Amino acid sequence: DVKVTQSSRYLVKRTGEKVFLECVQDMDHENMFWYRQDPGLGLRLIYFSYDVKMKEKGDIPEGYSVSREKKERFSLILESASTNQTSMYLCASSLPGISNQPQHFGDGTRLSIL
Amino acid sequence: QKEVEQNSGPLSVPEGAIASLNCTYSDRGSQSFFWYRQYSGKSPELIMSIYSNGDKEDGRFTAQLNKASQYVSLLIRDSQPSDSATYLCAVRSNDYKLSFGAGTTVTVRA
Repeated sequence: DVKVTQSSRYLVKRTGEKVFLECVQDMDHENMFWYRQDPGLGLRLIYFSYDVKMKEKGDIPEGYSVSREKKERFSLILESASTNQTSMYLCASSLPGISNQPQHFGDGTRLSIL
Repeated sequence: QKEVEQNSGPLSVPEGAIASLNCTYSDRGSQSFFWYRQYSGKSPELIMSIYSNGDKEDGRFTAQLNKASQYVSLLIRDSQPSDSATYLCAVRSNDYKLSFGAGTTVTVRA
């Protein structure tokens, strides 16, 4: 089974802090994704990466950056946390390019910015 | 216009009944379609994928795809209380990205 592990289930940070969310997958997947999920809005893509050191903006990249130094690890960075970034953050991974490969999700990190 | 739209919930069905979930999408070039189940406080879990027009059955779940009409549906037969969850429709329009609907919450009444 695919295992996608997010470093924290719950996280509380303060406005203005730099926040790191970590995600590791053990299936040698090329593609990795970061989403946020908010009530009524569904999952929205923040950033994705299709290879080491490669990244692409998703639908809502503002206020976020990412890092992919190793294939198995994809980090989401909130440069200066704000209260409107309080949300559930989900990491996912998938095999490359082939359109019928599903994405597999981690357990999520519920982030609160005070 | 939203790329992926799902019928608004919540959907309440009695135990043993059929739950019917619908999803429409805007990109006619979409190739792959997925249904995820998400329990409250948990992450989405893949339950069905479908790529060709027609029906695909897996246990009590049946996915139906009609590319000409740009809709995909999920039927849950013999609904059980454990099926109570939010169901997310996801559509892939290019090699990497999935577009998700907002989800339909299903409650199965015992």
